[in-house]
Amino acid sequence: ELKVEQNPLFLSMQEGKNYTIYCNYSTTSDRLYWYRQDPGKSLESLFVLLSNGAVKQEGRLMASLDTKARLSTLHITAAVHDLSATYFCAVDTPNTGNQFYFGTGTSLTVIP
Amino acid sequence: NAGVTQTPKFRILKIGQSMTLQCTQDMNHNYMYWYRQDPGMGLKLIYYSVGAGITDKGEVPNGYNVSRSTTEDFPLRLELAAPSQTSVYFCASTGGGGAYQPQHFGDGTRLSIL
Repeated sequence: ELKVEQNPLFLSMQEGKNYTIYCNYSTTSDRLYWYRQDPGKSLESLFVLLSNGAVKQEGRLMASLDTKARLSTLHITAAVHDLSATYFCAVDTPNTGNQFYFGTGTSLTVIP
Repeated sequence: NAGVTQTPKFRILKIGQSMTLQCTQDMNHNYMYWYRQDPGMGLKLIYYSVGAGITDKGEVPNGYNVSRSTTEDFPLRLELAAPSQTSVYFCASTGGGGAYQPQHFGDGTRLSIL
C-alpha cells in the first residue's frame, strides 16, 4: 500500500520566519500535488510537480520534488498570517489505477 | 463556472437511515472521486470512476455504493447509516489523462449520524 507521510503534523510559527514542510512517499512516482485547506473549507490546488527536480513558486510558497529520495518539500518564506491553513501533499502513480493518496496534512498557524 | 457541485452541504441522519450524496461537475472530466475526511485527518478514498459506467473501490468502500451513468454525475449512496460514517465527504474530479492534473474539489457535505 502506498503511504504518504507529512511532517510536522502541526506547525506554529511567527510572522516573518521561514520553515519547510516535508512530504515522504513510499513508492516510485514523479507526480506530486500540494493542496491548501482553510478551516471548514474545501481543498484548493497549489502546485503540481511532474518530474524529478521540479520547482514551483507562488508568492511566499515554493515546492520542490526529489523523486529519487521520494521527497517533496513546501518551503514558506517570511510567513504571514494569511498562510495559516492545513497543507496536504498527494501522490498518484501509474500503478494505482488513477488513485490519489493524500498525506495526513500539516496544520500551519502563523502567529503575529 | 460552477466546477464541482455537491449537495446537500449539511445533513443529519439517524442510525439505519439511507441517503444519497450528490456530486456533479461541468468540466467534462472523466475521472471522479469520493473521499471522506474525519476531524483532523487526511482524505481517504471511498470510490472512484474513470468514466461513465466504470467505478472502482478505494481504500474505505464498506457501507457505500456509487454509480456513474453520465460523465457529469457521480452520486454516493449510504445504506444503513452508522455513527462511524459521520464525516465530511468531498467529491473531486480531474480531466485529461486523469493524472498530471490536480483534482478539483467540491465544497463538501458535512454528515452526522446520530
